[in-house]
Amino acid sequence: DIQMTQSPSSLSASVGDRVTITCRASQGIGSSLVWYQQKPEKAPKSLIYAASSLQSGVPSRFSGSGSGTDFTLTISSLQPEDFAIYYCQQYHDYPVTFGQGTRLEI
Amino acid sequence: EVQLVESGGGLVQPGGSLRLSCAASGFSFSDHYMDWVRQAPVKGLEWIARSRNKANSYSTVYAASVKGRFTISRDDSKNSLYLQMDNLRAEDTAVYYCARLYCASGVCQSAPWGQGTLVSVSS
Repeated sequence: DIQMTQSPSSLSASVGDRVTITCRASQGIGSSLVWYQQKPEKAPKSLIYAASSLQSGVPSRFSGSGSGTDFTLTISSLQPEDFAIYYCQQYHDYPVTFGQGTRLEI
Repeated sequence: EVQLVESGGGLVQPGGSLRLSCAASGFSFSDHYMDWVRQAPVKGLEWIARSRNKANSYSTVYAASVKGRFTISRDDSKNSLYLQMDNLRAEDTAVYYCARLYCASGVCQSAPWGQGTLVSVSS
């Protein structure tokens, strides 16, 4: 199985900060990576697909980069509504696997 | 509006069975692969099963943790996805989400997701 490791596991930041979350795959996955945001008691929502493509309707302060084994999610200027847990997911191979999540506290 | 609505969750004893349903609307259900993903309490996300579309013979893929116990199926005439869960264990306790696998130009993402249905396995 491809292991997805996110860092940090949790992060405290302030409104207006620039935040970066990293995701490392245990083997190369090309650009087969999606970033999801999950708010309390809600289903996950796709933010970034194909490692760097912004999902329609997602604010432009969110961006993704990387390929192969190392990926990043960046929020350029944190807003209060960005308090959430962020997950990366690879779909390069079965089983589909997620990172353990990064809890972002404002 | 593209929408997925799960149902069928509840409390079941260890060793018991439960069948989850996911009703889809707002898109051509038959064209898409569909997934079940679960989330144990205060835990992360775990993909557990995929149903490919008719063009791919409705073939299925499972995570090792549920293979042989869970069965994913679909009824395109009813725009519905199902998860038959047998021989349930305490560690199967989770919120179960269905999700559409949306692919375009060779890239994919799970979108949207349903609201989830809670399955609790306990005596």
